[in-house]
Amino acid sequence: NAGVTQTPKFRVLKTGQSMTLLCAQDMNHEYMYWYRQDPGMGLRLIHYSVGEGTTAKGEVPDGYNVSRLKKQNFLLGLESAAPSQTSVYFCASSYGVGASGAYEQYFGPGTRLTVT
Amino acid sequence: GENVEQHPSTLSVQEGDSAVIKCTYSDSASNYFPWYKQELGKRPQLIIDIRSNVGEKKDQRIAVTLNKTAKHFSLHITETQPEDSAVYFCAASMEAGTALIFGKGTTLSVSS
Repeated sequence: NAGVTQTPKFRVLKTGQSMTLLCAQDMNHEYMYWYRQDPGMGLRLIHYSVGEGTTAKGEVPDGYNVSRLKKQNFLLGLESAAPSQTSVYFCASSYGVGASGAYEQYFGPGTRLTVT
Repeated sequence: GENVEQHPSTLSVQEGDSAVIKCTYSDSASNYFPWYKQELGKRPQLIIDIRSNVGEKKDQRIAVTLNKTAKHFSLHITETQPEDSAVYFCAASMEAGTALIFGKGTTLSVSS
């Protein structure tokens, strides 16, 4: 049981290049999330998904796109990378929402992205 | 939308002292408030959470209190140890619990 995994662990891009970050979970979680973490800014929600085939915008969605074609995978795309997108990206997943509220989110190990 | 404020941003204590971190939230509909600990270079991990139908929850040396009227919640760590040194994040649920909004974090340093 690997939990939440992210690919790649590190990446350096030039401005204008594109890339896709892959998040995979083997816990049969319904909900998945993408966050970015910058010094002094905490974890900011980029996009999230409440089920296969669904996505929604979070706090900072501009410049990113996502897809959830399979329940276990959540992809984050950068179509034209900018230096402002240099960050550590975390994926998370959870069972969703129960009778007493939200369930715990489990985080992946993170991807460190540098855009030059 | 939901907004979460966290204070202080840094906190230094001596080993054995208590540490308190406070958060406020804006959406009165929020009903789930987790706390995450993140060690340097690691992923955030849940250490304790509280739901809106409970005022206080304890787990060994850590406790969380919730005041729904004032819309604030706090993390209390007693008998701090050097291994408690980390960044701590509070969060509040948004949109019927579909996602979390995090505070900016508190860097806790425990010196021996």
